[in-house]
Amino acid sequence: SAVISQKPSRDICQRGTSLTIQCQVDSQVTMMFWYRQQPGQSLTLIATANQGSEATYESGFVIDKFPISRPNLTFSTLTVSNMSPEDSSIYLCSGPYILAANTGELFFGEGSRLTVL
Amino acid sequence: EDQVTQSPEALRLQEGESSSLNCSYTVSGLRGLFWYRQDPGKGPEFLFTLYSAGEEKEKERLKATLTKKESFLHITAPKPEDSATYLCAVRARQGQGGKLIFGQGTELSVKP
Repeated sequence: SAVISQKPSRDICQRGTSLTIQCQVDSQVTMMFWYRQQPGQSLTLIATANQGSEATYESGFVIDKFPISRPNLTFSTLTVSNMSPEDSSIYLCSGPYILAANTGELFFGEGSRLTVL
Repeated sequence: EDQVTQSPEALRLQEGESSSLNCSYTVSGLRGLFWYRQDPGKGPEFLFTLYSAGEEKEKERLKATLTKKESFLHITAPKPEDSATYLCAVRARQGQGGKLIFGQGTELSVKP
């Protein structure tokens, strides 16, 4: 299995500010996925980060609010822009999609817990 | 619309009391059903992948099964360390790019 590291692990932010979350994978992967887990809820996909192209966003999520970068096959960032208390969540990075083995499972980082005051 | 529903939302068991968790799904062209375990403050930990009806996978006290409409996670003689939230997810047809759609989870508590 791959190791996925996220930074920061947690942060407390002020309303109106932006925060960038970093995700590092220890092996090259084709796609990386960013999920949000609101308190007491399950995981909701924000977007798929593709290397060399723009991210693909799910319904209800927009690039202006959640810009994503994917500069190479092992790294991605998610920015939560102009934060409000409703953005208080755990943000999870996932990958890899193990195409070679075709097992299909995703591995997850430990998550970044954001609290917006 | 692809959908995953888990039941019950919460389950409390005594140590050694076997039970099952349910995951019902509606997807266009199932390309895998996944079970994860999530401990508080942690990311989901992969448990099993099932691909076709009739398939079963086992790991220690856990066994996952799959039909055309649902999956079960059977827990035999659970221990307190099995306490966690168990998440079910599905991957739909190729065009959706490999993303997983998650259910709401079942929070399992096993008391000694």
